[in-house]
Amino acid sequence: GAVVSQHPSWVICKSGTSVKIECRSLDFQATTMFWYRQFPKQSLMLMATSNEGSKATYEQGVEKDKFLINHASLTLSTLTVTSAHPEDSSFYICSASSPGRIGQPQHFGDGTRLSIL
Amino acid sequence: KQEVTQIPAALSVPEGENLVLNCSFTDSAIYNLQWFRQDPGKGLTSLLLIQSSQREQTSGRLNASLDKSSGRSTLYIAASQPGDSATYLCAARRGSNYKLTFGKGTLLTVNP
Repeated sequence: GAVVSQHPSWVICKSGTSVKIECRSLDFQATTMFWYRQFPKQSLMLMATSNEGSKATYEQGVEKDKFLINHASLTLSTLTVTSAHPEDSSFYICSASSPGRIGQPQHFGDGTRLSIL
Repeated sequence: KQEVTQIPAALSVPEGENLVLNCSFTDSAIYNLQWFRQDPGKGLTSLLLIQSSQREQTSGRLNASLDKSSGRSTLYIAASQPGDSATYLCAARRGSNYKLTFGKGTLLTVNP
């Protein structure tokens, strides 16, 4: 099955630091990647949709200048949390898809636990 | 706007029991519905995918059903095992885009 790799799995950093999270599709070309955020005991909330070679589409209420998304290749998308603050602490998960996989299960990375001190 | 609800929020059963997890969605115009498993601090593992034209899907001890008209899906787990303990999430996908709307999940504990 499809494999989506996410790195790092855990980040602890000081307030004001910018943190970059990588999402890679290992065995197919992902034209579209999704970034989700999950708070404890809550569901996954879609933050943005990342399309290769174009600007990301952000969901309502998500600050695009705060959460920078780059999808420069068909196998890699990055999420940068700029000037992170404690309220940005959360679990971030990515998923990847492509037109050829439209009827197939969407596969997710293992997530990144971000803790801002 | 699609809303997905999962009941119960938590469920504790003894090993060997058969159980049903429920998922309901407000907009029946879905493309497909997917069930996931999430272990603590981990990502999502896809369990079953039901296309909008299908009524059910089976994989091993798992069986998922879909009733679009009533906006419901169920995940049936047979002969539960302690290793089945996890949070189970359902997600509905609308249209040909890839966006998934998730429920909050059901935390399942299977006691030995």
